[in-house]
Amino acid sequence: DIQMTQSPSSVSASMGDRVTITCRASQGIGRWLAWYQQRPGKAPNLLIYPASSLQSGVPSRFSGSGSGTDFTLTISSLQPEDFATYYCQQTTSVPFTFGQGTRLEIK
Amino acid sequence: QVHLVESGGGVVQPGRSLRLSCTASGFTFSDFGMHWVRQAPGKGLEWVAVISYDGVTKFYGDSVKGRFTISRDNSKNTLYLQMNSVRADDRAVYYCAKVGSRSSGHYFDHWGQGTLVTVSS
Repeated sequence: DIQMTQSPSSVSASMGDRVTITCRASQGIGRWLAWYQQRPGKAPNLLIYPASSLQSGVPSRFSGSGSGTDFTLTISSLQPEDFATYYCQQTTSVPFTFGQGTRLEIK
Repeated sequence: QVHLVESGGGVVQPGRSLRLSCTASGFTFSDFGMHWVRQAPGKGLEWVAVISYDGVTKFYGDSVKGRFTISRDNSKNTLYLQMNSVRADDRAVYYCAKVGSRSSGHYFDHWGQGTLVTVSS
């Protein structure tokens, strides 16, 4: 199985800050990585796929990069609605594993 | 507009069975693979199962293999998850999720709102 490891597990930041979340795969997955945002009590929402392609309707302050085993999600200037939990997911092979999540909190 | 609505969650006793449903609308259901993903209270996302667009190919996560069965009825635009021999650690919100593309990996561009399964005697 491909293991997905996110860091940090949680991060505190202020409005307007730039935040970067890292996701590492236990083996190479090309660019087949998705990023999701999940707000409390809601279903996840797809932000980026593959790796660096922003989905329609997602604000441009979100960006993704990486390939192979190392990926990053960056939020350039935090807005109130960005405080949520973020998950990466590899989409190449069964089981389609998620990272453990990164909780982004208001400082 | 794509819409996925799960149903069938509730309280189930350990060792018993439960069937979840996910009714789809707003897209050609028979064109896309579908998944179940679950989330235990306060925990992260766990992939559960996938079924191909035609229902022929199915895969399961290790924690549910041999106990859960994914199926679909394309004539009814409905996805199912038959949960047998339910255990306490199956307690979670279960989401159905639509694959974004038939050829670009198993990512999920639409999710249902989730249905909660509680395991209790």
